[in-house]
Amino acid sequence: KNEVEQSPQNLTAQEGEFITINCSYSVGISALHWLQQHPGGGIVSLFMLSSGKKKHGRLIATINIQEKHSSLHITASHPRDSAVYICAVGSVSGGGADGLTFGKGTHLIIQP
Amino acid sequence: NAGVTQTPKFRILKIGQSMTLQCTQDMNHNYMYWYRQDPGMGLKLIYYSVGAGITDKGEVPNGYNVSRSTTEDFPLRLELAAPSQTSVYFCASSYSSGLVGQPQHFGDGTRLSIL
Repeated sequence: KNEVEQSPQNLTAQEGEFITINCSYSVGISALHWLQQHPGGGIVSLFMLSSGKKKHGRLIATINIQEKHSSLHITASHPRDSAVYICAVGSVSGGGADGLTFGKGTHLIIQP
Repeated sequence: NAGVTQTPKFRILKIGQSMTLQCTQDMNHNYMYWYRQDPGMGLKLIYYSVGAGITDKGEVPNGYNVSRSTTEDFPLRLELAAPSQTSVYFCASSYSSGLVGQPQHFGDGTRLSIL
């Protein structure tokens, strides 16, 4: 079974700072997902990637397959970015139809 | 376009009671999932379905049952509620398997307490 570790668990930063959240996994994967969970509890899919880099607005996700590592970056952070960010990986060895294994999440707070 | 809709949003049950968590999606997705999220833990897969009439167990299926009679609906049933089932439950759907890189769309969750 794939193990997914996220760091840091908690992160507090000032508005405008560059944010990096890391995700490491133990077994080769087919796809990696970054999700955002709002304070109200809803979960939104941000990115899905299997190689390289993706960018959407101020969010950038990268993945290094050889090192089994992904990062989520937020540029020019804003208080509305405050949320829990969850990394999930899909691997054949995982359970279920999609084999997704989830990290515990990174709780990000951006202070004005 | 409503996406994935879960009801109820909150519920308190007594030990031994039963209930059904409802989930419906209007995106014509084949794959549907039920997860539970416990404090400080990652989401765990309870059951999933790859299409109407087909369901299978996930990582933590004990104490739950599901059915998938239509593409749209995927209810989760708790037969004999236990305190260990206190959690937040999320339903999700996707066009195809996450293994091939399809994003999952989540409902807003059901917060369930068993007392």
